[in-house]
Amino acid sequence: EAGVTQFPSHSVIEKGQTVTLRCDPISGHDNLYWYRRVMGKEIKFLLHFVKESKQDESGMPNNRFLAERTGGTYSTLKVQPAELEDSGVYFCASSQVNEQYFGPGTRLTVT
Amino acid sequence: GENVEQHPSTLSVQEGDSAVIKCTYSDSASNYFPWYKQELGKRPQLIIDIRSNVGEKKDQRIAVTLNKTAKHFSLHITETQPEDSAVYFCAASYRRDSSYKLIFGSGTRLLVRP
Repeated sequence: EAGVTQFPSHSVIEKGQTVTLRCDPISGHDNLYWYRRVMGKEIKFLLHFVKESKQDESGMPNNRFLAERTGGTYSTLKVQPAELEDSGVYFCASSQVNEQYFGPGTRLTVT
Repeated sequence: GENVEQHPSTLSVQEGDSAVIKCTYSDSASNYFPWYKQELGKRPQLIIDIRSNVGEKKDQRIAVTLNKTAKHFSLHITETQPEDSAVYFCAASYRRDSSYKLIFGSGTRLLVRP
């Protein structure tokens, strides 16, 4: 069974540009989560989808971040316009119930 | 608010010794406590978890203990090996409106010296 995949693995963009991150969850997992780890700090929750619906988006930092999961399969996280403080590693995780399985992450660098 | 504190931030042990990492959570509604291991450049991997109706769980050289009254939980690794070197994260979770978001500790960098 394939694990959670994320694309791209790395992205370097300039401040003000737009970046879209993609996550493909484990097949059959209705729950999809986005997390972010900034500069060696803790991994922080961003939002949670159940199928195509946003169940909890309490961790989204501001309206420059937009997450979608059309059709309830893969998800995208768009940052527009990117700011320097958005740099970090963005993780996606999927689950059926409790156990969340993480993807390899996308390292985003905003210069 | 929801918070998980993790100690120590770094831990260096000799191969064969034991390592203990401790976490404290703030929300008494938390009922699921996973531990993740992240090796350099790799994804966080779930290594063990415990639910609030259990006080201890063991899997070979790894064990986790939970004290609900004190809101503490700990990871114990016995007979450490160099391949145990990684960053370990504890997390706490509870179900709210069908969401099981994980609240993570700040991580412990474990170094096992050969």
